[in-house]
Amino acid sequence: TQLLEQSPQFLSIQEGENLTVYCNSSSVFSSLQWYRQEPGEGPVLLVTVVTGGEVKKLKRLTFQFGDARKDSSLHITAAQPGDTGLYLCAGSGGGADGLTFGKGTHLIIQP
Amino acid sequence: GAGVSQSPRYKVAKRGQDVALRCDPISGHVSLFWYQQALGQGPEFLTYFQNEAQLDKSGLPSDRFFAERPEGSVSTLKIQRTQQEDSAVYLCASSRYGLADNEQFFGPGTRLTVL
Repeated sequence: TQLLEQSPQFLSIQEGENLTVYCNSSSVFSSLQWYRQEPGEGPVLLVTVVTGGEVKKLKRLTFQFGDARKDSSLHITAAQPGDTGLYLCAGSGGGADGLTFGKGTHLIIQP
Repeated sequence: GAGVSQSPRYKVAKRGQDVALRCDPISGHVSLFWYQQALGQGPEFLTYFQNEAQLDKSGLPSDRFFAERPEGSVSTLKIQRTQQEDSAVYLCASSRYGLADNEQFFGPGTRLTVL
């Protein structure tokens, strides 16, 4: 069974601060995806990383896939209240199966 | 809209009742997934369809859970003799192709509360 551990589980910081969320596993994944979910809605895909060591940037968000494709991180620079939400990492084995999700990081950015 | 829709959005059932949850995927999407999300947790995979074929049902918690997608479009997740531990948000997702690492588009979910 593939498991994804996310940390921290909860994070509350002030607007303008930087933060990093981690997603770790003992298993190798074909690809890893990061989603953001707001209350009452389904998760929305932010990024997919496929290659070990890959770094992708989405405005103030930087995503990195570990060299061994077992872990990933999400770094947010100058956080804004609009970044508040549940951030989920999800791994794929590459076949025709469902995603394995972490438990998520609940992020609150206070004005 | 062109997104994934689910109905009902909220369902309250008495313990022992049967429920049926509907998912309308994005038109033309080959793959359809069902996930269960407990309060404060990440989604957990239940089952996967490619067109009308149910290729993986390893995540279904018990034989009380049944899913179908008879014409390769709309899907229904049925839960028989509901129990309190079935209370959760049930998410449906679809993707254009047949591989899990293609982008999955999620619906808003059905929040099931079993009393």
